[in-house]
Amino acid sequence: QLKLVQSGGDVVHPGRSLRLSCEASGLTIFGYGFHWVRQAPGKGLEWVAFIWYDGSETYYADFVKGRFTVSRDDSKNTLYLQMDSLRVEDTAVYYCVKDLPTPRTRIGAPDDGWGQGAVVTVSS
Amino acid sequence: SVLTQPPSVSAAPGQRVTISCSGSDSNIGYNFVSWYQQFPGAAPKLLIYDTNSRPSGIPDRFSGSKSGTSATLAITGLQTADEGDYFCGTWDRKLNVVVFGGGTKLTVL
Repeated sequence: QLKLVQSGGDVVHPGRSLRLSCEASGLTIFGYGFHWVRQAPGKGLEWVAFIWYDGSETYYADFVKGRFTVSRDDSKNTLYLQMDSLRVEDTAVYYCVKDLPTPRTRIGAPDDGWGQGAVVTVSS
Repeated sequence: SVLTQPPSVSAAPGQRVTISCSGSDSNIGYNFVSWYQQFPGAAPKLLIYDTNSRPSGIPDRFSGSKSGTSATLAITGLQTADEGDYFCGTWDRKLNVVVFGGGTKLTVL
């Protein structure tokens, strides 16, 4: 049973950087793609980024492209989300979650077993 | 949101309710749909995957379907414990992103 434990959430000023970590246990992350999804206070789910099972491909939402970078270290069974040039509107709870491919597409939608979330607050 | 859901639905305990999720040819029209349930302060939980499959532990009161570019989540035998937010989601092959609905708040009267 895969368990994802997140860390790195913090309060930062606009323009600063933050790195979120997502450590997996119960299953090796090798061979699986992972998503990052965020949820602003009182709002819905907003997809942020995806990393392919071997790290060879990454995809980003337009609003973070060029500012956020997703990466993985399979030797540490850990995913990362590097967030640079943070904006007030990036304030949200950030979740990491394994991908569940569909029979039709090699990248699907988030699976079950989401991380507990990391709270990121960007404020001056 | 790329996918459109009603902001809220409500029904009495024991009744049946449906939540719609409308998209386009590049997402729901092409791909399979997932549904997520979320309670306040908690992470989302996968309720339905591949449009109409349930993960182990999800009761058969929850079911999913799709027609064209719209998907539907149905919940029968409503319980007060079902009150929460429900989101649809899928991969959009044109945008190369995961798209979610804006979420539907279910109230069990």
